[in-house]
Amino acid sequence: EVVLTQSPGTLSLSPGERATLSCRASQSVSSSYLAWYQQKPGQAPRLLIFGASSRATGIPDRFTGSGSGTDFTLTISRLEPEDFAVYYCQRFSSSSWTFGQGTKVEIK
Amino acid sequence: EVQLLESGGGLVQPGGSLRLSCAASGFTFSSYAMNWVRQAPGKGLEWVSSISDNGDYTYYGDSVKGRFTFSRDNSKNTLYLQMNSLRAEDTAVYYCAKHCSSTSCYGYDIWGQGTMVTVSS
Repeated sequence: EVVLTQSPGTLSLSPGERATLSCRASQSVSSSYLAWYQQKPGQAPRLLIFGASSRATGIPDRFTGSGSGTDFTLTISRLEPEDFAVYYCQRFSSSSWTFGQGTKVEIK
Repeated sequence: EVQLLESGGGLVQPGGSLRLSCAASGFTFSSYAMNWVRQAPGKGLEWVSSISDNGDYTYYGDSVKGRFTFSRDNSKNTLYLQMNSLRAEDTAVYYCAKHCSSTSCYGYDIWGQGTMVTVSS
């Protein structure tokens, strides 16, 4: 079973700063099957990135996904106030899905 | 407007059963695989189950296999999650989610607002 480990657990940054979130897989993952989500308190998750680097509909270009194999990254180039949230990576494999444990981006 | 609306959550005793529903609107429901994801209070997301577009294939996470049954009625644009032998650790918000629209996309692009299931005596 592939395990996704996200780091750091919490990222404390100020608006305007750059955020770099990591998602590491215990086994190689096809880039096609790696997605990122944003979740704000009391809300459902929102798809940000699919295929490791493709932005979902309506997602601002300050969100960038990258990586391959076992190491994937979500970068938020300049944090806006609405970007402070929890972020999850997700992978698909053999008819099952796995989420990472999440990274919380909080205001410093 | 594309929308998913869950219902059926509530308080149930350990060992009991509950059936969740998810009503879909605003898209061609029968064309998409669908999913359930849950989130225990204060915890992360956990994939529960997926179903193919025609309902012929279902897949389950290890923690619910043999206890939960995922089905769909494409004539009613509705999903069902039958949950039996419920345990305290099944306590969570349950979200239904639509597989994304692009043929190259693996992910969930539309989510419901969630329904809370509490398993407690």
